[in-house]
Amino acid sequence: EPEVTQTPSHQVTQMGQEVILRCVPISNHLYFYWYRQILGQKVEFLVSFYNNEISEKSEIFDDQFSVERPDGSNFTLKIRSTKLEDSAMYFCAGDLSGLSTDTQYFGPGTRLTVL
Amino acid sequence: AQSVAQPEDQVNVAEGNPLTVKCTYSVSGNPYLFWYVQYPNRGLQFLLKYITGDNLVKGSYGFEAEFNKSQTSFHLKKPSALVSDSALYFCAVRDRYSSGSARQLTFGSGTQLTVLP
Repeated sequence: EPEVTQTPSHQVTQMGQEVILRCVPISNHLYFYWYRQILGQKVEFLVSFYNNEISEKSEIFDDQFSVERPDGSNFTLKIRSTKLEDSAMYFCAGDLSGLSTDTQYFGPGTRLTVL
Repeated sequence: AQSVAQPEDQVNVAEGNPLTVKCTYSVSGNPYLFWYVQYPNRGLQFLLKYITGDNLVKGSYGFEAEFNKSQTSFHLKKPSALVSDSALYFCAVRDRYSSGSARQLTFGSGTQLTVLP
């Protein structure tokens, strides 16, 4: 069964540094998402992406964040200048159609620790 | 705005007993509801969803969920719990009215299920 993969599983960085989190979605998915989960809190939507454009983004997704699909397989989330409060588990997800009835499939997550 | 509530942070049940993990929702219009499970060091795994039709939805690993429109609930159930069912369970709703072509999930806070041997 195809799976969403994410690398690295754990990233430790210093405050102010740039990080790139990588995801390889399921090959026939067309819509892609990033979510994050701060320890002990809810899973929160960050951004959705389709046809090489951002479709929706939340208030969390400010100018420090960016996403791209550089080579047709990887889907990346970049944080330009990390803050302590960016420490969280980041999940990538994808689905076929982006419709409300469709099922999103998630990766295992990257735990980001900002020191 | 849509929202999901999971009123119990922790549910403990003995192996072999039935289990229920509660979820209530608030949306404008008809809801599309999902349950996901998270095992330690793993991602969110899809269990089941309600879109329309039969109020009792069957999913993976023997789980089922009952949609109740009048009570705005979507409780997850299993007739006989296994120790291996111990995990973190998330209820989520997907908005059919948001703008944009890719609609986000809104999650509840999660319920830690522990099945005791």
